[in-house]
This record gives sequence, structure tokens and C-alpha cells, in this order.
Amino acid sequence: EPEVTQTPSHQVTQMGQEVILRCVPISNHLYFYWYRQILGQKVEFLVSFYNNEISEKSEIFDDQFSVERPDGSNFTLKIRSTKLEDSAMYFCASSADRGWTDTQYFGPGTRLTVL
Amino acid sequence: DAKTTQPTSMDCAEGRAANLPCNHSTISGNEYVYWYRQIHSQGPQYIIHGLKNNETNEMASLIITEDRKSSTLILPHATLRDTAVYYCIVRVASQGGSEKLVFGKGTKLTVNP
Repeated sequence: EPEVTQTPSHQVTQMGQEVILRCVPISNHLYFYWYRQILGQKVEFLVSFYNNEISEKSEIFDDQFSVERPDGSNFTLKIRSTKLEDSAMYFCASSADRGWTDTQYFGPGTRLTVL
Repeated sequence: DAKTTQPTSMDCAEGRAANLPCNHSTISGNEYVYWYRQIHSQGPQYIIHGLKNNETNEMASLIITEDRKSSTLILPHATLRDTAVYYCIVRVASQGGSEKLVFGKGTKLTVNP
């Protein structure tokens, strides 16, 4: 069964450093998403991406964040200058069609720890 | 998206049916009910969704009341591996609707041996 994959599973970084989280969505999917979950809190939407542009983003997704689809298979989330409060699980998701008409499938997540 | 209300936690005996309720009294006619679950800190896993008819798949059944103000997710024969947080989410299914999933706190289901 096709699945979303994410690398690395755990990333440790120093405050102020840049990190790139990588995702490989399901191969025929066209819509891509990032969510995050701070330990003990709810899963929160960050951004959705289609046709090489952001289609929706939350207030969390400020100028420190960016997303990119650098090739035909990868989808990345970059945090330019990490803060302690960026420590969280980051989940990538994809769907075949627009998010409101189709099911989003999630990857296993990347645990980001900012020291 | 309509707000949902779920119990904070539930227990179920292994092998028995687990019935997880969800209230969505402000649901609109074009909003679907989706269920996801999250096992420990893994990524949310899609379970099932429906609009107004009852739905069944290999994982679960979804029963939606006739007025659509509430629904129940049924795991027919719960196993220890079904211990997870279960999220009920309602989403607009129409052009121009938000793409995001809005997760609440969900129901922590514990399946006991």
C-alpha cells in the first residue's frame, strides 16, 4: 500500500540553525500539507501546497517557514532560524485531490528538537 | 468547519466492540464527518468518512444519525493495537472550502486485555 514517508525521523539542532524536513508524498498525489504537533498538544495545520504554490497557510507559518517541491517526488519544509518553540513533531500529508474533497494521508513524522 | 465534541477518554475490553461517539450539532449540509486516529506519537491515520449514510470499511463502521448532529465510530472487535487517540473532524466538501484538517483533543481509547 502506498504511503507517505518522511526523513529524518528525528532531527536535533541548535537554536538559530536552519533545518530542512523532507517528505515523499504518495506518488500520484497532487496536494501536499505540513502539520505539526507540540508535545502534549493538538495537531495543527501549517500549510497546504499545490501546483508549486502555497494554497493555504496558518498564522503559525510565518516568514521563518518555507515549503518547496524541488523535484517530482520530494516535498520539503524549511525553518530558517529555529527557535526553542519550534520543537515538535512535524507531519507531512498528501491527497490526490483538493483537501476538502479527498482524504489526506499522513507520514510518520519527524521529531524536531531545538536545543 | 463545525465544532465537534468527544469524550476525553474511553475504555474497552479486547475483543469487544468499541463505540466512540461524536457530537457535531452545528454541522452543515455539505460537511463530511471524518475519523482519524493517532497511535502514540505516530502520524494521524485515516479511518473512515461519511456524509449522511452509514459507512463501513475494513477498519470500522461509521453510524451517522438521521439529523446528522452526531455520529459513532464502531471498531467491531477491538484489539490492543487499537489503543490510540481518535479524532472526529467535520469538513466542508465544496469548492472554496478550507483544505486543512482541524484536530481537536479527540478521545483517548484504551483497549484492555
